[in-house]
Amino acid sequence: KAGVTQTPRYLIKTRGQQVTLSCSPISGHRSVSWYQQTPGQGLQFLFEYFSETQRNKGNFPGRFSGRQFSNSRSEMNVSTLELGDSALYLCASSLVQGARSEQYFGPGTRLTVT
Amino acid sequence: AQTVTQSQPEMSVQEAETVTLSCTYDTSESDYYLFWYKQPPSRQMILVIRQEAYKQQNATENRFSVNFQKAAKSFSLKISDSQLGDAAMYFCAYRSATSGYALNFGKGTSLLVTP
Repeated sequence: KAGVTQTPRYLIKTRGQQVTLSCSPISGHRSVSWYQQTPGQGLQFLFEYFSETQRNKGNFPGRFSGRQFSNSRSEMNVSTLELGDSALYLCASSLVQGARSEQYFGPGTRLTVT
Repeated sequence: AQTVTQSQPEMSVQEAETVTLSCTYDTSESDYYLFWYKQPPSRQMILVIRQEAYKQQNATENRFSVNFQKAAKSFSLKISDSQLGDAAMYFCAYRSATSGYALNFGKGTSLLVTP
């Protein structure tokens, strides 16, 4: 079975622009979570989607948004990029929502904001 | 909110030796899960081991084992017979079993394995 895939793997954007990152979960997985990893703040939870609905959201400004499609693929969008948004964005998929459902991570998208 | 603390930013171990990485957490919940994840230079997060809080028996996965002390809120990872491929960042993580389900990560411990 193919793992979690994230596209693009690397991205360079300019401050003020917007960006969309994509995540394709493992086949059959219906829950997708997003995390931001920075040297200063570490790994922080952004949001979780299950059955096309946002189920849980971390403490991030409204510039960060996401969605999930009927095939469970998910996108996250960051508008009005700031330098501090430079980070590794990790996506994780699980079979269903819930603590007992194992999360499998993708390779991440490295976003650089200049 | 639950917090996870890893007090060792860096650790070093010789090949074939044993090393223990520390993790403490703070929670008022009784039902939760604890995890150790490995992140090599490729940045791919890999699950090493998981522990259900309701299980008293410590989890073991081949050379990896944990020492789970629920009352002390401590969850350490022991790596036996260390190999060069074990070199990576190791993250301890907490996940509630009843609300949210997001992983709360510690800051990580960088493990260096020397020949």
